[in-house]
Amino acid sequence: NAGVTQTPKFRILKIGQSMTLQCTQDMNHNYMYWYRQDPGMGLKLIYYSVGAGITDKGEVPNGYNVSRSTTEDFPLRLELAAPSQTSVYFCASKGQGAYTEAFFGQGTRLTVV
Amino acid sequence: DAKTTQPPSMDCAEGRAANLPCNHSTISGNEYVYWYRQIHSQGPQYIIHGLKNNETNEMASLIITEDRKSSTLILPHATLRDTAVYYCILLLGETSGSRLTFGEGTQLTVNP
Repeated sequence: NAGVTQTPKFRILKIGQSMTLQCTQDMNHNYMYWYRQDPGMGLKLIYYSVGAGITDKGEVPNGYNVSRSTTEDFPLRLELAAPSQTSVYFCASKGQGAYTEAFFGQGTRLTVV
Repeated sequence: DAKTTQPPSMDCAEGRAANLPCNHSTISGNEYVYWYRQIHSQGPQYIIHGLKNNETNEMASLIITEDRKSSTLILPHATLRDTAVYYCILLLGETSGSRLTFGEGTQLTVNP
């Protein structure tokens, strides 16, 4: 199994540009999450989804949008990129059941200049 | 969700046991204690979790005090590859999508 796959691994954006970070999982997990991690800090939750068609905001949703049209995919959209969105972004998925483990992708390193 | 407190950093000699403490004095009765680690900016990796009883798997042991206000993650024979940031997280089951709330964690450095 590939697990959780994120693309791209690296990206440089100019201020005001838009992009979509892709995340796909092949474990048929209902729960999916997007986190961002700034240097030296812990991960902060941006958005999450408990199933196809259902999304909800996390701690730091401003400047981002998500959609969940299928179980496998959970793309994160950045509109009007700002330098404050320079960060490493992690996608994660988790199976049904309260106490299963979450699996994380390897991250997307985004720089906004 | 209840908060956790961890020391910002710890050192351990290679081959010795690494004991990582976590304080969670406001934990509620049905919150589980989870441990994840993050090696050099890779995606976090699950280690172990527990509710009341001590737990052991192939990676580590988790000791939870009887009052559940603190816990200790034990890596029995630390290796250089165990150098990572270790996160202690409380999880309230299906509530709010089983979200993981990460703190700052403990930077464990295993020295040769």
